[in-house]
Amino acid sequence: QVQLVESGGGVVQPGRSLRLSCAASGFIFSSYGTHWVRQAPGKGLEWVAAVSYDGKNKLYADSVKGRFTISRDTSETTVYLQMNSPTAGDTAVYYCARDSWRLALTPSYILDYWGQGTQVTVSS
Amino acid sequence: SSEVTQDPAVSVALGQTVRITCQGDSLRGYYASWYQQKPGQAPILVIYGKNNRPSGIPDRFSGSYSGSTASLTITGAQAEDEADYYCNSRDSSDNHVLFGGGTKLTVL
Repeated sequence: QVQLVESGGGVVQPGRSLRLSCAASGFIFSSYGTHWVRQAPGKGLEWVAAVSYDGKNKLYADSVKGRFTISRDTSETTVYLQMNSPTAGDTAVYYCARDSWRLALTPSYILDYWGQGTQVTVSS
Repeated sequence: SSEVTQDPAVSVALGQTVRITCQGDSLRGYYASWYQQKPGQAPILVIYGKNNRPSGIPDRFSGSYSGSTASLTITGAQAEDEADYYCNSRDSSDNHVLFGGGTKLTVL
């Protein structure tokens, strides 16, 4: 069965760096893109970034562009989110989710499988 | 940039029908997807495309459209349907993903 498992969350000081991982299994990883979506405490879902199945097309929300980087390692079937210069506003549960469109050159918006999330707290 | 908006809260009596709406110009070009999220859990996809349900989603969930408004209808709401519901779509100008603010559904 499709599984997505996030890791790497924790407490990080403002301005430092943190890398989140999303380990995928149960499907052909190289055929599907992946998204990161976050949820601040008591708030709604906010899309953060997406990468296409081949890693060539990457999209970022304006709120993280220039600070966060999404990447994928097909050999490890893992997607990463490198968070640089985080601020308190980045405190949230971060979910990775699979893009439902197979072999899509541009990530879609239909997220058919989600991980359980990893908590990121930005605090000094 | 575009946005999609939802009513913050809706309530329904047990066994009755409820409609949750999502509005936005992007919905004139893209179908909405709908996600259910219960407290402490990850979201799950319940409706996508014109009116498609992933495997395992009960058929009391359905989707529909009118102009720039998408609707999620639950026919015969059950206690286990109490949750937050989010719609999403796509911004055609930059392909960014748009999420609505969510609707908290209470089943009375």
